[in-house]
Amino acid sequence: QQQVKQSPQSLIVQKGGISIINCAYENTAFDYFPWYQQFPGKGPALLIAIRPDVSEKKEGRFTISFNKSAKQFSLHIMDSQPGDSATYFCAATSAGNKLTFGGGTRVLVKP
Amino acid sequence: EPEVTQTPSHQVTQMGQEVILRCVPISNHLYFYWYRQILGQKVEFLVSFYNNEISEKSEIFDDQFSVERPDGSNFTLKIRSTKLEDSAMYFCASSAAGFYNEQFFGPGTRLTVL
Repeated sequence: QQQVKQSPQSLIVQKGGISIINCAYENTAFDYFPWYQQFPGKGPALLIAIRPDVSEKKEGRFTISFNKSAKQFSLHIMDSQPGDSATYFCAATSAGNKLTFGGGTRVLVKP
Repeated sequence: EPEVTQTPSHQVTQMGQEVILRCVPISNHLYFYWYRQILGQKVEFLVSFYNNEISEKSEIFDDQFSVERPDGSNFTLKIRSTKLEDSAMYFCASSAAGFYNEQFFGPGTRLTVL
């Protein structure tokens, strides 16, 4: 019940395209859903986060869509750039403590 | 910009040996965490630490593991007798407050157990 499932495992997108990463969770006690971006040799860094009282949050080219009834949330990267090439992790937490991570998606943006 | 630092970046050890992984959290942060990532797998929570005691630990964090904040700046993870399956990337993280505050991650220590 603590799992967060993430798909796809990898994604190749052309520069200017849209990258979409999906996550699903089971634990209804989760109440905060951050997305982390990780570059090789670096630790994960918070990209954007959402709470379940809203269905969408946008920050620049990054948008989270949240479907509470389906227990799913997704990250959309608009106008993808080569600098967006990284591994993206969705995560979930209850009361803001330990993070439960998805399996990660390796995104490659081709110029 | 403040950041979490970790040393060493790579540690190679023999099975059965003790290792200590070190972290310097961001200075005004109060909550500290260890996570690990086995190659090709997801990042997994190990332990959280607040007010000089463990606040939560996972099933992975058994008696072979311990954490300590020895001097008010460092935060350490000790593995008493390493096993082959302890080989992983270990990430330290810290946050200013426990609830809904961003956890800032260090660059990780790659532990290789031979």
